[in-house]
Amino acid sequence: QSVLTQPPSVSAAPGQKVTISCSGSSSNIGNNYVSWYQQLPGTAPKLLIYDNNKRPSGIPDRFSGSKSGTSATLGITGLQTGDEADYYCGTWDSSLSAFYVFGTGTKVTVL
Amino acid sequence: EVQLVQSGAEVKKPGESLKISCKGSGYSFTNYWISWVRQMPGKGLEWMGIIYPGDSDTRYSPSFQGQVTISADKSINTAYLQWSSLKASDTATYYCARYGDYFWPPTSFDYWGQGTLVTVSS
Repeated sequence: QSVLTQPPSVSAAPGQKVTISCSGSSSNIGNNYVSWYQQLPGTAPKLLIYDNNKRPSGIPDRFSGSKSGTSATLGITGLQTGDEADYYCGTWDSSLSAFYVFGTGTKVTVL
Repeated sequence: EVQLVQSGAEVKKPGESLKISCKGSGYSFTNYWISWVRQMPGKGLEWMGIIYPGDSDTRYSPSFQGQVTISADKSINTAYLQWSSLKASDTATYYCARYGDYFWPPTSFDYWGQGTLVTVSS
């Protein structure tokens, strides 16, 4: 069971905005960088956001990331049908048993 | 172009052993950590562990320590994930992914393999 909690699903109409939350603790989000991944159906995950709010080359600025305390948020504006996917947050957990952890995942549906 | 190419799908019986691979190209394979990630059918991503091919320094998630072995052969730019005795619960898609920076701990995975589906069934 993941230590990073995300809502199971969010939805909005094309062109609208959605936000996805990722809630953790001081041992993970609170003291480490957060990244976000998009997984389109039947494909490998793809890095969307790294170091809390940076976009890799080729990722449109419709995708944005932020972090505050022990929570992080992914925002998607100008929602497109091609954005229908599962989204995961991820970060390092610095507890005694140090390890990387992914969030529980959020399904984005474009209505 | 950075690429991680994984070995093909496998169908195994419980108790059998298995080793799957992830071959890197387009970058200096020995200088970047490679992780393995499990995704069980219809479920989320689970981080299994990570290896630095340059010196084979390996770290495991507590959930997978003792259950799998991660290794690498830097002479052929390939990382491996292996099981000595598979269980039905090992049925999943396994991804390798590169940590694209030098600093510890890993912060994100910038390139991913296409995934290897492992099916364990009697």
